[in-house]
Amino acid sequence: QKEVEQDPGPLSVPEGAIVSLNCTYSNSAFQYFMWYRQYSRKGPELLMYTYSSGNKEDGRFTAQVDKSSKYISLFIRDSQPSDSATYLCAMGLGQGAQKLVFGQGTRLTINP
Amino acid sequence: DTEVTQTPKHLVMGMTNKKSLKCEQHMGHRAMYWYKQKAKKPPELMFVYSYEKLSINESVPSRFSPECPNSSLLNLHLHALQPEDSALYLCASSLTRGEKLFFGSGTQLSVL
Repeated sequence: QKEVEQDPGPLSVPEGAIVSLNCTYSNSAFQYFMWYRQYSRKGPELLMYTYSSGNKEDGRFTAQVDKSSKYISLFIRDSQPSDSATYLCAMGLGQGAQKLVFGQGTRLTINP
Repeated sequence: DTEVTQTPKHLVMGMTNKKSLKCEQHMGHRAMYWYKQKAKKPPELMFVYSYEKLSINESVPSRFSPECPNSSLLNLHLHALQPEDSALYLCASSLTRGEKLFFGSGTQLSVL
């Protein structure tokens, strides 16, 4: 079993739809959770960073963490064609840890 | 300034060439990383420098040689690469090891 599971998609939705992206994890020691957006042949861009269970909102993006279920989500409201990208979840054990653990990434396409 | 700058953006090299990838950040981050990313896969950790000292080498072949001249700069020296080394090479930095990563835009490397 992988430490972090993420459905690779592809996921295709119409413009304006609400998008839900998810990751599950097995290691209860993970302390913080990130979502990255990656356009083709570019480096990942940090979108959201959360340190505890609950919701965090930034514009059209909401990150949700449920530590009891070991489940994290990213919601995109009013999706735009420019949101078409690969979304990677990543998790860390905390300061000093060896490395982040990435999900496989979900390829998302928003159709005009 | 929240930028990690990588040069060159694209590189084509033969199997006998020697080349170097360069990375720079001015965020005061003390951990710097090299990742390798193949198409449709998540980034794969290669090396981690913490306070300018190599702290993690993920069993990377010796044809890849990292160097950290100072706290702002990171190089990756390439020699006698194989075609299967063709990938997107990403530099990243974080405040300290194990924290959220900020990625550069990457170097797309092709080995002929």
